[in-house]
Parts: sequence; C-alpha cells; structure tokens
Amino acid sequence: DIQLTQSPSFLSASVGDRVTITCRASQGISSYLAWYQQKPGKAPKLLIYAASTLQSGVPSRFSGSGSGTEFTLTISSLQPEDFATYYCQQLNSYPRITFGQGTRLEIK
Amino acid sequence: QVQLVESGGGVVQPGRSLRLSCAASGFTFSRFGMHWVRQAPGKGLEWVALIWYDGSDKYYADSVKGRFTISRDNSKNTLYLQMNSLRAEDTAVYYCARGTTRLKFDYWGQGTLVTVSS
Repeated sequence: DIQLTQSPSFLSASVGDRVTITCRASQGISSYLAWYQQKPGKAPKLLIYAASTLQSGVPSRFSGSGSGTEFTLTISSLQPEDFATYYCQQLNSYPRITFGQGTRLEIK
Repeated sequence: QVQLVESGGGVVQPGRSLRLSCAASGFTFSRFGMHWVRQAPGKGLEWVALIWYDGSDKYYADSVKGRFTISRDNSKNTLYLQMNSLRAEDTAVYYCARGTTRLKFDYWGQGTLVTVSS
C-alpha cells in the first residue's frame, strides 16, 4: 500500500498566520491527492481534490499544490474556525485508498 | 441537499455481528460509488470498503476482508456494512461517504459508533 506521511503532526499557530502542511507519498501518485478538515466530533470535510482544486464552498484562503510524491496544503491567513485536524488522502491506487496520519492545528 | 445518515452502531461482544446502514438523500444514489471509512478513538482515518455504483464490484481493506461485507439497495437509497466476527480493534466511528472515482470523497455522514467489548 502507498504510505502517506504528513508533517508536522502537530502545529501551533495564531490567527492571521500563514501555515503549510506537507504530505509525502511513499511512491508517485500523480495528482490523485485530496485534503480534508476534521473538527472534534464531526465528519471530515473535503477541502481540496486533485491536489489543487478547491472544493465548492471552501474559502479561497485554502490552497493545495504538488504532484508526484510531495504535496502541500496552505492556509493563507488562519481564521478561528480553521483550528482542526487535517488529513491528506491518496486515490492513485484506487480503490486501495490511504490517508495520512493527520496534522493537528491548534491555537498558539 | 446531499445527506448521508448512518445508523446501527452500538456495543457488541467480540465475535458477534452488527449491520450498519447509511440512508442517502438529495442525489441520485445509484450513480455513485460509496465507501465506508472508520476512525478508532483518538486515531486517524482508515478506509474500510467500497462498492461500485451498481453493486457490481466491491473492495475491502485487508483488515476487514473476509469478515465485513458491503452492499447497497439502490431502490431504497441505502448502503450497508455487515460486520461479522467483530474484534476489539474494530471499535471505531464508522462513516459512509460518497465517492467520485479517483478524485474525492465529497460528502460524509455524521458517523455511527461501534464498540466491541465484552
């Protein structure tokens, strides 16, 4: 199975900060990568798919980039509602889908 | 609007069975592949199973293969997960999610908690 490694696993930041989360794949996955946001007790919410396509309704402060084995999720200016856990997901080896271990983003 | 509502979770003893349901509304259910994803307490997301839009193909994670069965009834807009020979490590919140092939899981249910304990 393709392994996804997110870094950092934990991130402390302030409102207004620009933050970047990285997801590295154990082998090339083209652009078959999605990003999700999950808040405590809630279902994951799709943010980005195909590495860089913003899902409808998601604020433009979220952006994604990368291809092959290295990907990034960037939040340009953190808002209070952005503090959550973020997961990357690879769909290249569909249907054997895998998720990264998650990045917890907390308020500094 | 798209809605996915899971049900059927609960507390069950090891070795016993449980069936989860996911009622879909707000979209043409029969046109989409559907997934189950689970999340153990305090842990990350684990893909569990996929069923093709018409039920013709099914795929499973190695951790559940041979014990879990995914199915669907397109006439009832409902997805199922039959879980047999349950183990403590199957304890998790189980989510159903709508899939768009190789692109995204764009809608998720609220999840249902399964606890396997004696």
